[in-house]
Amino acid sequence: GNSVTQMEGPVTLSEEAFLTINCTYTATGYPSLFWYVQYPGEGLQLLLKATKADDKGSNKGFEATYRKETTSFHLEKGSVQVSDSAVYFCALLPSGYSTLTFGKGTMLLVSP
Amino acid sequence: EAEVAQSPRYKITEKSQAVAFWCDPISGHATLYWYRQILGQGPELLVQFQDESVVDDSQLPKDRFSAERLKGVDSTLKIQPAELGDSAMYLCASSLGLAVGWGRTDTQYFGPGTRLTVL
Repeated sequence: GNSVTQMEGPVTLSEEAFLTINCTYTATGYPSLFWYVQYPGEGLQLLLKATKADDKGSNKGFEATYRKETTSFHLEKGSVQVSDSAVYFCALLPSGYSTLTFGKGTMLLVSP
Repeated sequence: EAEVAQSPRYKITEKSQAVAFWCDPISGHATLYWYRQILGQGPELLVQFQDESVVDDSQLPKDRFSAERLKGVDSTLKIQPAELGDSAMYLCASSLGLAVGWGRTDTQYFGPGTRLTVL
């Protein structure tokens, strides 16, 4: 079946540090991959996406590259800010018509 | 920028009472989803509509939960009677309803959610 595995949190960083949140997936065919961010008490916001192998999604300084050979979609940011503190969810949407499968989420805490 | 609307944002109820949540998707989005998110976990799909038809309700506890999207636009999710274990965030999302394949996707956009607390 389809599944997403994320690194466990919390990830604690100082402002301006480099961020990596690992995400690997299991799926057949050509899934789309997503990162969503959830701020406390809020819904999920789409952060970035990639629809085929080697695509790089990017937004607000965050990047992730769809690596089919390693079945990964790691999220990176070169310099985090306190305002980036949130929970980040990796998700996949399988080929055809189907539903999102989410990872368990990774909490990021950035201190000044 | 178009958004998914949900109401109420917060709901506190006592067990055995009935509760209802409302969702208005982005205009033109054929597919609507209701998710439940327990604190500290990822969202889990409860029900998926394509226009007014249910296409997946396999995870919906049908003895107490019901959902409808009568005119294929907005939707209501109801719980009757509510139980303590129903305390969670209920998220609505919508998408155009496209087939996913090589280079093509169907992005889901989420509303702000309804936080339900059952006492």
